[in-house]
Amino acid sequence: DGGITQSPKYLFRKEGQNVTLSCEQNLNHDAMYWYRQDPGQGLRLIYYSQIVNDFQKGDIAEGYSVSREKKESFPLTVTSAQKNPTAFYLCASTPLAGFYNEQFFGPGTRLTVL
Amino acid sequence: AQKITQTQPGMFVQEKEAVTLDCTYDTSDQSYGLFWYKQPSSGEMIFLIYQGSYDEQNATEGRYSLNFQKARKSANLVISASQLGDSAMYFCAMSDAQGGSEKLVFGKGTKLTVNP
Repeated sequence: DGGITQSPKYLFRKEGQNVTLSCEQNLNHDAMYWYRQDPGQGLRLIYYSQIVNDFQKGDIAEGYSVSREKKESFPLTVTSAQKNPTAFYLCASTPLAGFYNEQFFGPGTRLTVL
Repeated sequence: AQKITQTQPGMFVQEKEAVTLDCTYDTSDQSYGLFWYKQPSSGEMIFLIYQGSYDEQNATEGRYSLNFQKARKSANLVISASQLGDSAMYFCAMSDAQGGSEKLVFGKGTKLTVNP
């Protein structure tokens, strides 16, 4: 079955530690995205990538880093510079053929800083 | 920059009745897309329906329809014959293609509760 997988589902981190969230897709989509969701809020864009080895900052990129070494993978690192990292993180992908394609989402990772 | 406004933090509806979730948007673009997503308590985002700015007819997908009023910049979601499983958060989103990339801008969502 085609889809997007995110791991782990729950992640706990101590303050001052970096942590990497995994996102993998087998939909052959070109573009991938990372969003952050806080309680009672909508999704805010962290980073996105349209092609391998290229990515752009979204609205709240500070304290985060990404890589896109393979088309199917777009891991997100939450660094110690992120002041309030506790949130729900969603990864999404979309084909680039034509505009206004729906984005397909993974199940999300819930990160808690202890 | 694009902006999405959802003014209803929470809505209640009786099972089998219809409900309208409001969404207004702000953009200076002539070409854009509007989306609705459902987020159950499990957290996954489920795509419901899409409306293009040049589409003359309102989009429909099963029990979901989008009431698109371009002059008013509104894109309300109508759910007919509500079911208990429709209880969830609902997000309106708009495509942002500035800079040659395709991003989505989301509203803050509406929590829908369907009562038996």
